[in-house]
Parts: sequence; C-alpha cells; structure tokens
Amino acid sequence: DGGITQSPKYLFRKEGQNVTLSCEQNLNHDAMYWYRQDPGQGLRLIYYSQIVNDFQKGDIAEGYSVSREKKESFPLTVTSAQKNPTAFYLCASSVFPDRATNEKLFFGSGTQLSVL
Amino acid sequence: GESVGLHLPTLSVQEGDNSIINCAYSNSASDYFIWYKQESGKGPQFIIDIRSNMDKRQGQRVTVLLNKTVKHLSLQIAATQPGDSAVYFCAEGNSGGSNYKLTFGKGTLLTVNP
Repeated sequence: DGGITQSPKYLFRKEGQNVTLSCEQNLNHDAMYWYRQDPGQGLRLIYYSQIVNDFQKGDIAEGYSVSREKKESFPLTVTSAQKNPTAFYLCASSVFPDRATNEKLFFGSGTQLSVL
Repeated sequence: GESVGLHLPTLSVQEGDNSIINCAYSNSASDYFIWYKQESGKGPQFIIDIRSNMDKRQGQRVTVLLNKTVKHLSLQIAATQPGDSAVYFCAEGNSGGSNYKLTFGKGTLLTVNP
C-alpha cells in the first residue's frame, strides 16, 4: 500500500555517535520534510527537500544532516553535534509545493530517538 | 514572532457528544489552514483543510470553521467516538511562500469518555 515508511521505530544513540533515520515514500511526491516533535510541543522543521539532489535548512537544522539522492528517499542523520537529540522524529512528503497554493503533508509513523 | 496557538490544551467529552477544538492564529497573511489528528506514538493524520476564501468546510463527521476577522479556526467533531481520542493539531500556511512555511500549534488532547 502507498505511504511513507520510517525506520526504525525506536533508536538509541550513544554519546558521540551519529545515527541515521530512514524515510521512504512511494507516493511519487517531489517534496519531503523532516520534523522534530518534543513532548507538549508543536512540530519544528529540521530540513526539507523540494527536488532530488537539493535540500534546504529548516528552523532547527544545527546538528542534523540530510541527503536526497533518490526521489523516494530522504534519510536524516543526527550527528554528535546535536546535544539534545531525544525526540520523536517525523518524516513527511507532499506534492511539489506550488507557489500559488499550499498542499497538505502526509506523515510517516515516526522514529523515537533516545540517548543512552 | 507570528504563531499558531490553541485555547484549550485538553478537552474531555462524553461519547456521542459533539467536540469543538479551537485554534487562534496571529499571522494575517496566512491563507491555508489544516487540521491533523495524532494518536499516541504515531504520525499525524490529515483530517481536513480550508483556504481563506472559505469560512466553512465539511468532511465526514468533521467541520472546520474559519473566522478571519478574529483569526480563529475551529474543528467540530460530531457524535464523538472513543476512536477520536487523540491530540489534534492545527497548522497555518501562506501561499505566498512554500509548503515548508506550515506552522504547527502545540495541540489539544481530546479524551472521549464512554
């Protein structure tokens, strides 16, 4: 069935370690996004990509990196520079955001990252 | 800065009653609004959206009302069911920008009592 798949569902990071969260979509969407969610908070944008081989920083990009080598895939790496990585990470996709209209985001089921 | 907020962080209703979840926005340039439902440990699910050229839009058991005069958005759920228990988020966007400009509120926790 079509949708967005995030893996793993739970991930643990040791101090000084980089970890990578996977996001794959088969919706043929051009745009993909990574959000961070902390308890009791709204979603905050980390990175987004509107087209393959191109991506932009969101509001809280420090300590994170992404790549967009394929349309279907948008992995997020949480680097050791991110000092407070414990959060729920959500990947989303949408049709190409036309400048004339906003379009709804489709979300994956999330990855809970915790620090050991 | 501009933000999207919620009047009530929690809402408890009886099964079968109607629920109303409110959202205030402060960006007068916002012209796209969307509601999501998020169950514990899951990603947000799209419920309904509305553009600023409308003041009401109906879906299955849900209605979104937009009052641009007072910058207020509400989600009405008819005949609330236990499966409606979740956190509900509103978000706003500006079609003058791009999709990443969706700004999310903190959410309202809806609890449905049997």
